[in-house]
Amino acid sequence: GENVEQHPSTLSVQEGDSAVIKCTYSDSASNYFPWYKQELGKGPQLIIDIRSNVGEKKDQRIAVTLNKTAKHFSLHITETQPEDSAVYFCAGSETSYDKVIFGPGTSLSVIP
Amino acid sequence: DTGVSQDPRHKITKRGQNVTFRCDPISEHNRLYWYRQTLGQGPEFLTYFQNEAQLEKSRLLSDRFSAERPKGSFSTLEIQRTEQGDSAMYLCASSWTGPGDSPLHFGNGTRLTVT
Repeated sequence: GENVEQHPSTLSVQEGDSAVIKCTYSDSASNYFPWYKQELGKGPQLIIDIRSNVGEKKDQRIAVTLNKTAKHFSLHITETQPEDSAVYFCAGSETSYDKVIFGPGTSLSVIP
Repeated sequence: DTGVSQDPRHKITKRGQNVTFRCDPISEHNRLYWYRQTLGQGPEFLTYFQNEAQLEKSRLLSDRFSAERPKGSFSTLEIQRTEQGDSAMYLCASSWTGPGDSPLHFGNGTRLTVT
C-alpha cells in the first residue's frame, strides 16, 4: 500500500518569509496529491491539490510541485502570515475521490 | 453546502463501555470515509462506504469496531468494549465520484477520551 513521508516535522519562519514542506510517496499508482491544513480542534481542510499529469500548480501564495519520476512533491507558501500557523499534511491517492493516505504532518509556526 | 457534520464533538467514556458516533456527509456525496487521528499523527484510514455498501476496511478496524450507512446518507461508527488505546479523534469525510468529482471533505471530528 501507499506510504507517504513528510519533512520537516516542525517548521518555524518569520512572518513574510517562505515555507517549504517536502513529501515522498511509494505507490506508483497514486495520481492525486492533496494538501490539507489542520487548525487546533478542527478537521483537515483541503487547501490545494495536484494531479499526476501536472508538474506545478499555484493558488495565490500557495504553490505545489510534483516530480512523479522521483515520487516527490512539495508545498511552497510565500509571504507567510501568522494565520498560516497550523499543521499541514500531504497525502496521496489513486483518484481525487478515493481514500487518501496521509503523511505524518508538519507543524508550521509563523512568528510575527 | 453545509459541510460534513459530526456528533458529538467530544465523548468521555469509561473503559469497557460502548460508544457510537454519527456523521452526516455533504448531501450529494456518495462516498463516506472514517479516519482515526491520534495526537501528533496524520489521520489513518479506517473504512469507507459507497452509498450503503461498505467497500473497504483497514486492518486497524478491529472486530470491536463496526460502521454502518444504512440508507446511503448518514453513517454511524460504534466501538464496543472501549479500551484506553481507542482514545483519539475520529474523523469523517465525504466525496463525490460522479461527473465533476469532488475530493474528500472532512468534518471537525469526534474526540473520544477513554478513562
